Amino acid sequence: GAVVSQHPSRVICKSGTSVKIECRSLDFQATTMFWYRQFPKQSLMLMATSNEGSKATYEQGVEKDKFLINHASLTLSTLTVTSAHPEDSSFYICSASTDRGSNEQFFGPGTRLTVL
Amino acid sequence: QKEVEQNSGPLSVPEGAIASLNCTYSDRGSQSFFWYRQYSGKSPELIMFIYSNGDKEDGRFTAQLNKASQYVSLLIRDSQPSDSATYLCAVTPFSGGYNKLIFGAGTRLAVHP
Repeated sequence: GAVVSQHPSRVICKSGTSVKIECRSLDFQATTMFWYRQFPKQSLMLMATSNEGSKATYEQGVEKDKFLINHASLTLSTLTVTSAHPEDSSFYICSASTDRGSNEQFFGPGTRLTVL
Repeated sequence: QKEVEQNSGPLSVPEGAIASLNCTYSDRGSQSFFWYRQYSGKSPELIMFIYSNGDKEDGRFTAQLNKASQYVSLLIRDSQPSDSATYLCAVTPFSGGYNKLIFGAGTRLAVHP
């Protein structure tokens, strides 16, 4: 149980285009989903937290108009990188948690974004 | 001061030895503590979590928490080459809400045959 999927696993796009990444909890309802970014040899940096049906909470320094997050249902959250640039190239990882008392987050496999 | 600090390593241990990974955190009100393992190019996978002071054992892994010293560690017994990875310490801060996790930079472990 507690499986989280991400799609696509890898994407290459041209500078200026937008890219959408999907995160799904496959066998549980995720009340909260998190989006992280990880640059090479660095740790995970939390970008934003989203709850189903409400606006995402962005971490300091993360542009909400550039990284659009939609948490439309208890099993799906999307991250759209708008007008992507080479510096947005990174490993984007989502995670999901329930409200069952444990603070455990279940991680998706990640999406490798390369912006040319 | 970083919220969660780890020695970046690499920590090199011979196969069969005990690997000891350490983590300190700044928020005294932190509630939950997690250890994740991350292989290169992959997402983190949970090893174990601990909430209370003391030791918690799960197979070859033991997590140790000392809230007074704001210190959490992970011991890996009988280390195997397959344990070679980056180990991430994560903490739920007191004021985080939404089960937020703050990650350390990770310690790279290399287990050599």
